[in-house]
Amino acid sequence: GAGVSQTPSNKVTEKGKYVELRCDPISGHTALYWYRQSLGQGPEFLIYFQGTGAADDSGLPNDRFFAVRPEGSVSTLKIQRTERGDSAVYLCASSTDQSSYNEQFFGPGTRLTVL
Amino acid sequence: AQKVTQAQTEISVVEKEDVTLDCVYETRDTTYYLFWYKQPPSGELVFLIRRNSFDEQNEISGRYSWNFQKSTSSFNFTITASQVVDSAVYFCALKVSGGYNKLIFGAGTRLAVHP
Repeated sequence: GAGVSQTPSNKVTEKGKYVELRCDPISGHTALYWYRQSLGQGPEFLIYFQGTGAADDSGLPNDRFFAVRPEGSVSTLKIQRTERGDSAVYLCASSTDQSSYNEQFFGPGTRLTVL
Repeated sequence: AQKVTQAQTEISVVEKEDVTLDCVYETRDTTYYLFWYKQPPSGELVFLIRRNSFDEQNEISGRYSWNFQKSTSSFNFTITASQVVDSAVYFCALKVSGGYNKLIFGAGTRLAVHP
C-alpha cells in the first residue's frame, strides 16, 4: 500500500515568508507526528496528533510554528515569518494508533531552505 | 530526562567486514521501547527493529543482529558481512510509555561500506 507522502519535496523561501508543508499519512493510521531534522542530526520531535487533536505539541520551538489535522487524516505544518534557522528537513510519520509499542512509518520529508 | 547517545559519528569498513553500531540510552522509566532506523541516501527513514524494556533477548534477522543489555543501558546493532547497500545513516531511538509517544533519536552513525 501507499506509504506516508509529503509535499512539496523541496521548498525554498525568503526570510519572513509564510510556508505550509503537507503530510498525507498511511490510510487508517490515527497517530501522526512531525519531526525536524537538521543537517548531521537525528530527527527532533515537534508535534503529535491523535485523530484531529494535538496530543503533544511540546516540541514546537515557538509560536511561529503551528500544525493542524482538521479531519484526522492529512496534516499541515505552518511556519510564519520564516527565519534562516528554520532551514531543515521536516519529516512526517504515522502509526496505527497511539500505543507506544507501535513503530512509526516515515515519509520522505520536505527540505525547507530559508534564504 | 531521556537521551540517546550514538558516540560513533562515522564508520568506514570494507565489504564483508562485520561492524557494530553502538547505542546508549538514558531514561528513568521502567517501561520503554528502543528502535533502530536506517536512513539511506534517499532520505526516508526505514524501520529496522523494536524492543521493549522487558525483553532482553537478542535478536537476529539475516545479517543483522541486536544486543540489548539493560545493565549497561545499551542497544547495539551488528551487521555481519557488510555490503555496499548497507551504506546509510543509522539512528537509534527511544520511546517511553505512558502517553509520551515521541521518539527521541540519537545523532546517528554514518556507515560507509566500500567495495
